[in-house]
Amino acid sequence: SQTIHQWPATLVQPVGSPLSLECTVEGTSNPNLYWYRQAAGRGLQLLFYSVGIGQISSEVPQNLSASRPQDRQFILSSKKLLLSDSGFYLCAWSVGTGFLYFGPGTRLTVT
Amino acid sequence: KNQVEQSPQSLIILEGKNCTLQCNYTVSPFSNLRWYKQDTGRGPVSLTIMTFSENTKSNGRYTATLDADTKQSSLHITASQLSDSASYICVVAHYNTDKLIFGTGTRLQVFP
Repeated sequence: SQTIHQWPATLVQPVGSPLSLECTVEGTSNPNLYWYRQAAGRGLQLLFYSVGIGQISSEVPQNLSASRPQDRQFILSSKKLLLSDSGFYLCAWSVGTGFLYFGPGTRLTVT
Repeated sequence: KNQVEQSPQSLIILEGKNCTLQCNYTVSPFSNLRWYKQDTGRGPVSLTIMTFSENTKSNGRYTATLDADTKQSSLHITASQLSDSASYICVVAHYNTDKLIFGTGTRLQVFP
């Protein structure tokens, strides 16, 4: 069966510090991978999606970046965090346009 | 503008009661409509996915309906349980772009 892992579960970082969130998927090959952010009281916002290794599409301009170094690994990064980067970050995967499966999420607080 | 609006924003019911959550969308043309359940601090979990031609779909005590003409969907929860306490998110996929448009969710609380 397929599983998706995200870490860390929670993170508190000061403004201006770097960020690296990692997501890995098991039990499937060549999945579409996604990074979403959920701010308090707001809907999920798509940040990045990837249809293959090294292929990244950005939905919203921001100081975040994503990379996909391996087929089932998706990394969200920032060189310098802003207060507005605080939120709940969710990695997700799908095969084609079917069901979207979400990871457990990372709660990021920028202080 | 492609939008998904959910109502009510929050809902409190007693255990054992039924409830219905609403979703109105302006996404056009749309490919499919999904309902997700999100427990606090966890990732969303898919409940149902319906295409244009489907009017209803059930998943245990959850029944989703879709009226593509009026662009409305509802999620009916039967005989609610304490574990149903969560946010329920309606998501509509745009037909041309496959982009998913998320509603802001309905926060359901079930009390004993």
